[in-house]
Amino acid sequence: NAGVTQTPKFQVLKTGQSMTLQCAQDMNHEYMSWYRQDPGMGLRLIHYSVGAGITDQGEVPNGYNVSRSTTEDFPLRLLSAAPSQTSVYFCASSSKSGLTGELFFGEGSRLTVL
Amino acid sequence: AQSVAQPEDQVNVAEGNPLTVKCTYSVSGNPYLFWYVQYPNRGLQFLLKYITGDNLVKGSYGFEAEFNKSQTSFHLKKPSALVSDSALYFCAVSPNAGNNRKLIWGLGTSLAVNP
Repeated sequence: NAGVTQTPKFQVLKTGQSMTLQCAQDMNHEYMSWYRQDPGMGLRLIHYSVGAGITDQGEVPNGYNVSRSTTEDFPLRLLSAAPSQTSVYFCASSSKSGLTGELFFGEGSRLTVL
Repeated sequence: AQSVAQPEDQVNVAEGNPLTVKCTYSVSGNPYLFWYVQYPNRGLQFLLKYITGDNLVKGSYGFEAEFNKSQTSFHLKKPSALVSDSALYFCAVSPNAGNNRKLIWGLGTSLAVNP
């Protein structure tokens, strides 16, 4: 049971480069989300999706795009990376019907922007 | 503004001693409350939750948490700490009765259990 899989685990970018962080889950969860974790800032929600074709902004969406074409996948795109986007990124999913709030997290993607 | 506070950045306890990691919240209505744990270089893992009912909830790895509505607190506890409990602990609150799109997170408390 793979759960939530994130790739890549590590990435170094130069300012202005673009990249996509991949997230896939095999639990048929309707809800998926992206967080960034920074020292002293805790977890901050970037974007989330409640189902295929539906996405919405979290508290820090600027500089990031998402799409949800399938239930399983929820990629996060950085169109023009900036040093302020250096962070650890976590994808998390949850079943919609449970209303338990339990999130299943991926192992994280550590991004450094030079 | 709705918020979650974890007043201690770090908690140090000796192995075998009881531990408490504190969480207080300021949200309207009847929130759902959660604890997550993050081991080094790993994603967060769900520990336990309070939805309704008994104020003392039990979770994974021997952890439990006590909901106190009058003090708006949800402290995480364990009767006997293990070195392997050393990790970062996050409290989270859902103010919309289970709508986890709106989770509010504390900043985390680093727990160090000394042998």
